[in-house]
Amino acid sequence: AQSVTQLGSHVSVSEGALVLLRCNYSSSVPPYLFWYVQYPNQGLQLLLKYTSAATLVKGINGFEAEFKKSETSFHLTKPSAHMSDAAEYFCAGFFNFGNEKLTFGTGTRLTIIP
Amino acid sequence: KAGVTQTPRYLIKTRGQQVTLSCSPISGHRSVSWYQQTPGQGLQFLFEYFSETQRNKGNFPGRFSGRQFSNSRSEMNVSTLELGDSALYLCASSLGTDNNSPLHFGNGTRLTVT
Repeated sequence: AQSVTQLGSHVSVSEGALVLLRCNYSSSVPPYLFWYVQYPNQGLQLLLKYTSAATLVKGINGFEAEFKKSETSFHLTKPSAHMSDAAEYFCAGFFNFGNEKLTFGTGTRLTIIP
Repeated sequence: KAGVTQTPRYLIKTRGQQVTLSCSPISGHRSVSWYQQTPGQGLQFLFEYFSETQRNKGNFPGRFSGRQFSNSRSEMNVSTLELGDSALYLCASSLGTDNNSPLHFGNGTRLTVT
């Protein structure tokens, strides 16, 4: 079955340290992939998207992600964490082209340690 | 450009009642999708409308229904509310013509069923 898996429901990093949030997908055909961020009491905000144009994708707020077909991964990184990055992050994919249904991972809550 | 607007932000209903949630998409977007977010089940797809027609449907009971108007605004209705329907309901809009166009989410309606 087509799915998105996020490893680690909670990740803590120190302010200024590297942020790495993991996402793997399961599908015979590479999907379009997205990372969203959710702050408390808010909806989801798009961070970046992969749609096969380039494997290294840069997003907002200094985040980037690299699509690796051989590893079926789309991990999210940021070189230096900021206190404002504390939020929940969701990886999601479109698996059936022409179908607007997004399949979400279970989310990773990122905590920044001062 | 105004974002996706959902009303109301908060709702408290009693078990057995019915509720209607509203969503106004970004101008020019013809696809509106609805998602349910709960701590236990995460983000689950309810349905998607495109040009007033339901194009995709998730695995929810018939108590959950929706519609889309000619101006692309959408409503979601839940009848005979159950305690388990307590959740954040998110609406998202997109162009709907290809999966290269990401979903843009509103801030959601938090429904509490007592």
